[in-house]
Amino acid sequence: NAGVMQNPRHLVRRRGQEARLRCSPVKGHSHVYWYRQLPEEGLKFMVYLQKENIIDESGMPKERFSAEFPKEGPSILRIQQVVRGDSAAYFCASSSHGARTEAFFGQGTRLTVV
Amino acid sequence: KNEVEQSPQNLTAQEGEFITINCSYSVGISALHWLQQHPGGGIVSLFMLSSGKKKHGRLIATINIQEKHSSLHITASHPRDSAVYICAAGGNTDKLIFGTGTRLQVFP
Repeated sequence: NAGVMQNPRHLVRRRGQEARLRCSPVKGHSHVYWYRQLPEEGLKFMVYLQKENIIDESGMPKERFSAEFPKEGPSILRIQQVVRGDSAAYFCASSSHGARTEAFFGQGTRLTVV
Repeated sequence: KNEVEQSPQNLTAQEGEFITINCSYSVGISALHWLQQHPGGGIVSLFMLSSGKKKHGRLIATINIQEKHSSLHITASHPRDSAVYICAAGGNTDKLIFGTGTRLQVFP
């Protein structure tokens, strides 16, 4: 019974390139959350998706960032035209019924923009 | 003022000591989560509680809904407990609001 799987674990991108971060939730979980952890800072909410629907994207930067959770396949966090300030650890979590149930976190993807 | 406040920010202890980490929140919650993050590592969910007390091994979590306060206790601490402990409030909006974490170091 695999937990939340994120890949890649580490991603290096040059400024201006695109970054794609993948998250496969726990089997059977339809709620996915993406969080960002900037160096030496705490975790910050980015977006909450529930199978094919974006429920809350209040933590997502208005430009360059997008997220999806298709009917089939992993959730994708996409960052276009990356800048140095996007360097961070991006964590995905899944749960069976939202924040009222236990959240399972992935190992994170550490994005470095050079 | 942050919606979820943790104290202390940093904590050092000798092996065997009893440790307490505190979390106060100002938002309405449906559940309070305690998470553990090792350096360079992922995040592990330790507890999710909405009332009373939960125990798992040497870890105990308590919550007082009226006072909007939760504590995480570690009994007989061990160097492998060294990590960042994060409190997160799960509100009615279904997203977690995180405290800034407590960095714990336990020395042998």
